[in-house]
Amino acid sequence: SQTIHQWPATLVQPVGSPLSLECTVEGTSNPNLYWYRQAAGRGLQLLFYSVGIGQISSEVPQNLSASRPQDRQFILSSKKLLLSDSGFYLCAWSADLAGGLYEQYFGPGTRLTVT
Amino acid sequence: AQSVAQPEDQVNVAEGNPLTVKCTYSVSGNPYLFWYVQYPNRGLQFLLKYITGDNLVKGSYGFEAEFNKSQTSFHLKKPSALVSDSALYFCAVRDMRDSNYQLIWGAGTKLIIKP
Repeated sequence: SQTIHQWPATLVQPVGSPLSLECTVEGTSNPNLYWYRQAAGRGLQLLFYSVGIGQISSEVPQNLSASRPQDRQFILSSKKLLLSDSGFYLCAWSADLAGGLYEQYFGPGTRLTVT
Repeated sequence: AQSVAQPEDQVNVAEGNPLTVKCTYSVSGNPYLFWYVQYPNRGLQFLLKYITGDNLVKGSYGFEAEFNKSQTSFHLKKPSALVSDSALYFCAVRDMRDSNYQLIWGAGTKLIIKP
């Protein structure tokens, strides 16, 4: 079965510091990968998605970036955090259309507080 | 433009009563529809989906949803609510004709089940 891991679970960082959040998926190949941010425990904002190694699409202009160095690894980064970057970051995966599955499966999330 | 509306910010139900969480959508083509549940400080969990076929879809934890094409709705239902059903519920849609893999998300409905 497939599992998705995210770490760290919680993170407190000062303004201006760098950020690296990691997400890995097990038990599947060539997944589509997603980074979301959830503010104030409500709506989901899609930040990035990737359909393959090195292929990143950005949905929202911001000081965050994403990379996919390996098939099942997705990294969210920032060179300098802003207060507004605080939130709950969720990684998700889905199988490609040929696999016949369409739903996304989410990791446990990372709670980021920028101080 | 594609959109999803969850018209109720919060729904309160007494334990043992039936519950309904509403969702309406707008897409250009035929929709793929999904429901997810989120418990506090956790990732989203997939509940059920409508892709094609029977309009009544059954999912996890006794939940079901009915696809109504004429009303462009996909309401989530459960015959008898449990206190443990208290959580945040998200509806999401994807247009079948879209070649990307993104979901359009509703803002979420907080479900509170009172004993």
